[in-house]
Amino acid sequence: DIQMTQSPPSLAASVGDRVTITCRASQSISTSLNWYQQKPGKAPKLLIYAASSLQSGVPSRFSGSRSGTDFTLTISSLQPEDFATYYCQQSYSTPPLTFGPGTKVH
Amino acid sequence: EEQLVESGGGLVQTGGSLRLSCVASGFTFSSYWMTWVRQAPGKGLEWVANIKQGGSEKYYVDSVKGRFTISRDNPKNSLYLQMSSLRAEDSAVYYCARQVGTYYYAMDVWGQGTTVTVSS
Repeated sequence: DIQMTQSPPSLAASVGDRVTITCRASQSISTSLNWYQQKPGKAPKLLIYAASSLQSGVPSRFSGSRSGTDFTLTISSLQPEDFATYYCQQSYSTPPLTFGPGTKVH
Repeated sequence: EEQLVESGGGLVQTGGSLRLSCVASGFTFSSYWMTWVRQAPGKGLEWVANIKQGGSEKYYVDSVKGRFTISRDNPKNSLYLQMSSLRAEDSAVYYCARQVGTYYYAMDVWGQGTTVTVSS
């Protein structure tokens, strides 16, 4: 199975900061990588699909990119509603659909 | 509005069974793969199972193979997860989700979740 790692596990940030979260796959997954945001007690929300495509309705301050097996989620200017946990998920080699361990932005 | 509503969670003894349901509305349920994802208390997300539009293909995470069965009833816009031989480690919030994409397979619509607690 493909393993996904995320870094950092948590990060402290302030409103207005540029935030970058990295997800690394254990092998090549092309662009089969999605990003989700989850707030406490709520279901996850799809932010980015296919590594860099913005899901409809998601603010443009969110963006995704890929470099080899490394994927990056960037929040250009952190807003109060962006404090949450972020998960990456691969779908290149399935089953299983594998999630990363998450990054908590606090 | 596209919506998924889960039900059926609860407290069950180790070794017991439970059936989760998920009712879809606001979209053509029969046109989509559907997925179950779970989240243990304080832990990350774990994909559990998914099922093709007509139900002909079903896939499971290794830890539930032989114990869980995913199914669907398209005329009723409903997705199910039959869980048996439950273990403490199956305790989690279970989410149903709509799966989209041709190669990136993302979950774009989620239910609110239903909580399963397995206890001896």
